[in-house]
Amino acid sequence: QKEVEQDPGPLSVPEGAIVSLNCTYSNSAFQYFMWYRQYSRKGPELLMYTYSSGNKEDGRFTAQVDKSSKYISLFIRDSQPSDSATYLCAMSERSNYKLTFGKGTLLTVNP
Amino acid sequence: EAEVAQSPRYKITEKSQAVAFWCDPISGHATLYWYRQILGQGPELLVQFQDESVVDDSQLPKDRFSAERLKGVDSTLKIQPAELGDSAMYLCASSLMETQYFGPGTRLLVL
Repeated sequence: QKEVEQDPGPLSVPEGAIVSLNCTYSNSAFQYFMWYRQYSRKGPELLMYTYSSGNKEDGRFTAQVDKSSKYISLFIRDSQPSDSATYLCAMSERSNYKLTFGKGTLLTVNP
Repeated sequence: EAEVAQSPRYKITEKSQAVAFWCDPISGHATLYWYRQILGQGPELLVQFQDESVVDDSQLPKDRFSAERLKGVDSTLKIQPAELGDSAMYLCASSLMETQYFGPGTRLLVL
């Protein structure tokens, strides 16, 4: 079992849809949780960062962490074609900040 | 906005040749990371530096890969000799604390 599991998709939605992306993890030492967006042939771009259970909102994006279930989510409201990208969840321990990534979910938002 | 710089952006080489990648982190970031990302997968850590010291190189194939950060600023990752399986995106990231910022990556193709 990998430390971080993420459904690779692909996920295709119409413009304006609400998108839900999820990851599960097995390492209870993970304390920091991030979502990165990666456009084709580009480096990952930090989208959301959180370290506590609960919700964190930034514009159309909401990151949710449930440490008791070892489950994190990213919600995208009013999705736009420009949101089409691969979304990577990543997490790290407090001790070393080394990121462990999921495989990434490929999202396509159709106009 | 400060960014992580990487060069070259693309590299095509033949197997058994030597290749080198360069990274210039965000100014003031003491921690520098090199990741390898195979198509369809999340990035995997190769080596982590704190200033000029290696913190973690447990996943670096040391028979062919080497990395240095001599003055604690920019860094070089070298592969010698390159093998077909080394074809991937090589990403550099830097951080002050737990949030890592990635460069655009170097896409390597070994023929």
